[in-house]
Amino acid sequence: KQEVTQIPAALSVPEGENLVLNCSFTDSAIYNLQWFRQDPGKGLTSLLLIQSSQREQTSGRLNASLDKSSGRSTLYIAASQPGDSATYLCAVNVIGAGNMLTFGGGTRLMVKP
Amino acid sequence: DVKVTQSSRYLVKRTGEKVFLECVQDMDHENMFWYRQDPGLGLRLIYFSYDVKMKEKGDIPEGYSVSREKKERFSLILESASTNQTSMYLCASRTSSPVGKTQYFGPGTRLLVL
Repeated sequence: KQEVTQIPAALSVPEGENLVLNCSFTDSAIYNLQWFRQDPGKGLTSLLLIQSSQREQTSGRLNASLDKSSGRSTLYIAASQPGDSATYLCAVNVIGAGNMLTFGGGTRLMVKP
Repeated sequence: DVKVTQSSRYLVKRTGEKVFLECVQDMDHENMFWYRQDPGLGLRLIYFSYDVKMKEKGDIPEGYSVSREKKERFSLILESASTNQTSMYLCASRTSSPVGKTQYFGPGTRLLVL
């Protein structure tokens, strides 16, 4: 069974720092990996989706990489801002599981002014 | 923009009550999902539906049922609410193909069972 782990569980950084969030998964047979953002008490917003054949995706200050063979993904946030404070979740779409996602536990990020 | 709405943001119910959580999407998506989210346990899939009147159990279906009579609406039913069903409930939808498409989430319903 696919397991998705995110480290660290929580992170606090000063504004302006570049930071990396980590996601690892146990089964490399995936269609894609996605990163979501969740603000407190709210739903999830999709940030980046990386297909299994891709190595990375970029959107603004966000860059996500995927190393399928090692079962790892990173989300890089450049020049962090207080507005980036949220919980970041990664999820994988496993081959053979239809359109179901398996989620990691999330990293709670706080960017201090 | 895709919009997924949930009938309530906050709900307080008593043990033993029958509870209905409604989810509506406006993008003609075939697939719809119900998750619950708990601290330390992350998001767990309760049920999903890949088409009208079709449903599949997720990881934690016990104590729940679902209904999908129309394509745009997916309901989660707690037949007899219990305190351990206090949680945040999230609905999501996506198109069935191609496979590499994201899920779109609603704002969530925070349910408290007393």
